[in-house]
Amino acid sequence: EPEVTQTPSHQVTQMGQEVILRCVPISNHLYFYWYRQILGQKVEFLVSFYNNEISEKSEIFDDQFSVERPDGSNFTLKIRSTKLEDSAMYFCASTGTGELFFGEGSRLTVL
Amino acid sequence: KNEVEQSPQNLTAQEGEFITINCSYSVGISALHWLQQHPGGGIVSLFMLSSGKKKHGRLIATINIQEKHSSLHITASHPRDSAVYICAVQKTSYDKVIFGPGTSLSVIP
Repeated sequence: EPEVTQTPSHQVTQMGQEVILRCVPISNHLYFYWYRQILGQKVEFLVSFYNNEISEKSEIFDDQFSVERPDGSNFTLKIRSTKLEDSAMYFCASTGTGELFFGEGSRLTVL
Repeated sequence: KNEVEQSPQNLTAQEGEFITINCSYSVGISALHWLQQHPGGGIVSLFMLSSGKKKHGRLIATINIQEKHSSLHITASHPRDSAVYICAVQKTSYDKVIFGPGTSLSVIP
């Protein structure tokens, strides 16, 4: 069965450092998303991406965040200067026909 | 006000019991999703509904668009069903998903 893969599964970083989370969506999907889940809270939308551009972003997705699809397969989320409150599980998702496929998540811990 | 609500928040059941988790939403939607989040954190899609009812194994999902309500039923529950079940909606096709708070289910042998 096709799957969305995410790396790393867990990253620990110091406050102020840059972090890149990587996702490989399912190959024929066209719509890509990043969500995050702070421990104990519900999953929140960060950004959606279609046709090589951001289609929607939440108010969480400020200037510290960026997304790229550099090579037609990877879909990356970059946090330029991490804050303590960025500690969360980050999920990538993709869809082609409406059914959503999620990655296993990348747990980010900011110290 | 949350656009997606779920009840109950927590649920403990004995193995073999019939389980129902409810979801209500306050916006017009094109699709409703039921998702399962494992203890390790990964999210798996169980159902995508726009009307009626779907069944997969011991899981059944129903939706009433007029009442803005959906239910997820688990028949003959098993300890491996223990997880967080999340209701989520999309206002339009391919739109972002709006997540509910989740229902934490624990099935005891």
